[in-house]
Amino acid sequence: AQKITQTQPGMFVQEKEAVTLDCTYDTSDPSYGLFWYKQPSSGEMIFLIYQGSYDQQNATEGRYSLNFQKARKSANLVISASQLGDSAMYFCAMREGGAQKLVFGQGTRLTINP
Amino acid sequence: NAGVTQTPKFQVLKTGQSMTLQCAQDMNHNSMYWYRQDPGMGLRLIYYSASEGTTDKGEVPNGYNVSRLNKREFSLRLESAAPSQTSVYFCASSVIGGGTSGRAYEQYFGPGTRLTVT
Repeated sequence: AQKITQTQPGMFVQEKEAVTLDCTYDTSDPSYGLFWYKQPSSGEMIFLIYQGSYDQQNATEGRYSLNFQKARKSANLVISASQLGDSAMYFCAMREGGAQKLVFGQGTRLTINP
Repeated sequence: NAGVTQTPKFQVLKTGQSMTLQCAQDMNHNSMYWYRQDPGMGLRLIYYSASEGTTDKGEVPNGYNVSRLNKREFSLRLESAAPSQTSVYFCASSVIGGGTSGRAYEQYFGPGTRLTVT
C-alpha cells in the first residue's frame, strides 16, 4: 500500500489565489512526521514545512500552512496569496517512529498563472 | 557553510561501467541518505547511514553500494551501470531527531547528480 498519496498530478491557479495541495498518508505508528518539499525547475529540494504527529497546532511557515487532520490521515499544504515563483513540483513526505528516512509521494506540479 | 555538496553534477556512462557518486556535508549531521528520482516521480531511498560506521538498505538498494567514509562523507557506488539506473541522484543529511521537535528531522538536500546510462 502507498504510504503517501498525492492525488493531484497537476494544478493550475491564478496568481494571488490561495491553493491547497492534498496529501494523505498511511501509518500505524503513533509517532510520525510529515514534510512538504518544493522542487523548482532548477531541481533542488527546498524544505517548506513540518508537522509532527503529537504537535497540538497546525504548522505554519510564512505563507505556508499545513492543514493536519489526524483522524482523516491527511496533511494538506495551503499556500496563501500564491506568487509566480510558487510554480514548482511539491512533494509530501513522511517519517515513521524514530526513523529518519523519508517516504515521498509522487508529487503535484503547481503552475501559477499571471 | 556549503551545506550538502555532490560531485559530479552530470555523468554519462555506458552499460557495465562503474562509478562513484560523492557526497559531503559540513553541518556536523549524523545521518546521511541517498535517494534517486526518476522522471515524474518522487524520491526513493536507496541507502542511508544513521550514524558514522553504519549503513542500511532503503527501498531500492539493488545495484548500489555505499560507504560512510567519515562523518562528513557518504559515497554511492554503481558497480556495473544499467540503463534502469538512469536517474537524478540526491544526497541528503539530517541531525538525529529528538522527541517530536519539528525541524530536528529536516533533511537538507544536495543539488543532485544527473546520471544517464546508455
